[in-house]
Amino acid sequence: DSGVTQTPKHLITATGQRVTLRCSPRSGDLSVYWYQQSLDQGLQFLIQYYNGEERAKGNILERFSAQQFPDLHSELNLSSLELGDSALYFCASSEAGGSSDTQYFGPGTRLTVL
Amino acid sequence: DQQVKQNSPSLSVQEGRISILNCDYTNSMFDYFLWYKKYPAEGPTFLISISSIKDKNEDGRFTVFLNKSAKHLSLHIVPSQPGDSAVYFCGCMKGNTPLVFGKGTRLSVIA
Repeated sequence: DSGVTQTPKHLITATGQRVTLRCSPRSGDLSVYWYQQSLDQGLQFLIQYYNGEERAKGNILERFSAQQFPDLHSELNLSSLELGDSALYFCASSEAGGSSDTQYFGPGTRLTVL
Repeated sequence: DQQVKQNSPSLSVQEGRISILNCDYTNSMFDYFLWYKKYPAEGPTFLISISSIKDKNEDGRFTVFLNKSAKHLSLHIVPSQPGDSAVYFCGCMKGNTPLVFGKGTRLSVIA
């Protein structure tokens, strides 16, 4: 158990809908990362937050947004969902989000868009 | 443009033998490298890391080797066990920038 929790574990929804994925980092970790893993693809970095502020942005679509709250949990919002958004979404956390900082991953949320 | 490549999608090894997983990167600025293991329906689990100032790091059965001139790192698992069967991802980072992962290598350890 990495100490990172994600809810829900599974999510099935329809095209055009909006969903929210939730992540609670390990106790004491200030940085949260979101990744997407599509079929046969590696982990694609989406976005990073550090202590409530956006720190880095990767290949995140404009339809997607995220935030980190004062209690350090984070939410990833996916809207106007398309079939191609079906994927595993992982959250990771690290102490400070800096160099040589190991990231610990949650169990993921499997999103299926029908 | 893939900055991190794991050219072997899969690898089969006999139990007790050595497993060698390889990873190549293109960005010479990467200064920290990590290996993660992933079982189905679970999140990636951190295994071992190495800083660019070292060329080897060992932790029990797992050893990571870094060849900066070749921009290559490898993970050695000795001896391999059936429980090591999983997908292994290498990740690279520089400074404060996020990890860049390869697409993974599926290791099967045969009893």
